[in-house]
Amino acid sequence: EVHLVESGGGLVQPGRSLRLSCTASGFNFNDYAISWVRQPPGKGLECVGFIRSRTYGGTAAYAASVNARFTISRDDSKTIAYLQLNNLKPEDTAVYYCTRDVGLYDPIRGFDSWGQGTLVTVSS
Amino acid sequence: QSALTQPASVSGSPGQSITISCTGTSSDIGGFNFVSWYQQPPGKAPKLILYDVNKRPSGASNRFSGSKSVNTASLTISGLQADDEADYYCSSYAGIPTVLFGGGTRLTVL
Repeated sequence: EVHLVESGGGLVQPGRSLRLSCTASGFNFNDYAISWVRQPPGKGLECVGFIRSRTYGGTAAYAASVNARFTISRDDSKTIAYLQLNNLKPEDTAVYYCTRDVGLYDPIRGFDSWGQGTLVTVSS
Repeated sequence: QSALTQPASVSGSPGQSITISCTGTSSDIGGFNFVSWYQQPPGKAPKLILYDVNKRPSGASNRFSGSKSVNTASLTISGLQADDEADYYCSSYAGIPTVLFGGGTRLTVL
C-alpha cells in the first residue's frame, strides 16, 4: 500500500524558513515524481511544485507564486522528498500535502496518493 | 494563470444524479485531456476519483463519471448517497510547471 507521511510543519515568523519532509513507502519511490500541494485554511488547493524522478532528470518545477522562495529536493536512498520554504509570508499559511501521480514522468494526470498533510502557520 | 471555475455549491437528494462543472480555457482544459477530480470530506486529505478526464482509479466508485467539452469538464455523480457529501475539486494540466485546481464545490446531500 502506498503511504506518504509529511512532517516538519509548525508556527514560524514571517521571513523565516522551514523544511518539510515527505516520507514514502509501499512503492518504488525512485520511479515517481513527487508534488507538493497546499491548502490554506478553509480555501482551495494549489500545486506549489514537483520534482521529477532521477530517471527523468530529477529536476524541479514551481508555481509562479512560490518560485525562488521554495525548493523541492529528494533523497531516493531514504525515500524522502523535501520542501524548503524560505522567506515565509502570512499567505503561505496552509496545510501542505505531498502527493504522487498516477503516471510516471511529469505529474500531470492526477494525484492518486496523498499524505495526511502538515500545517504551516506563518505569524508573528 | 487563474484557477478553474466551479460552482460554489450543489445539492441533491439521495438516489438522484448531480453534475459539477469546471470551466477553464484553451490553455488548460481545452488544450489537454488531463483533467482530474478529487473528493475531500471535511478534515481529510483529497482523494482522486477521476483522472485523464474519465478514468477511475482502482477503488473509485463507478457512480462517478467524467466528460469534457471544449473548455469545460464535468463530474457526474449518480445514485447520490449520504457519504458523497464533501468538497469536490477539479484539476487540469496547464503546461509545465502548472497544474491548476478549481475553487471547489461543496456537495450537500439533502
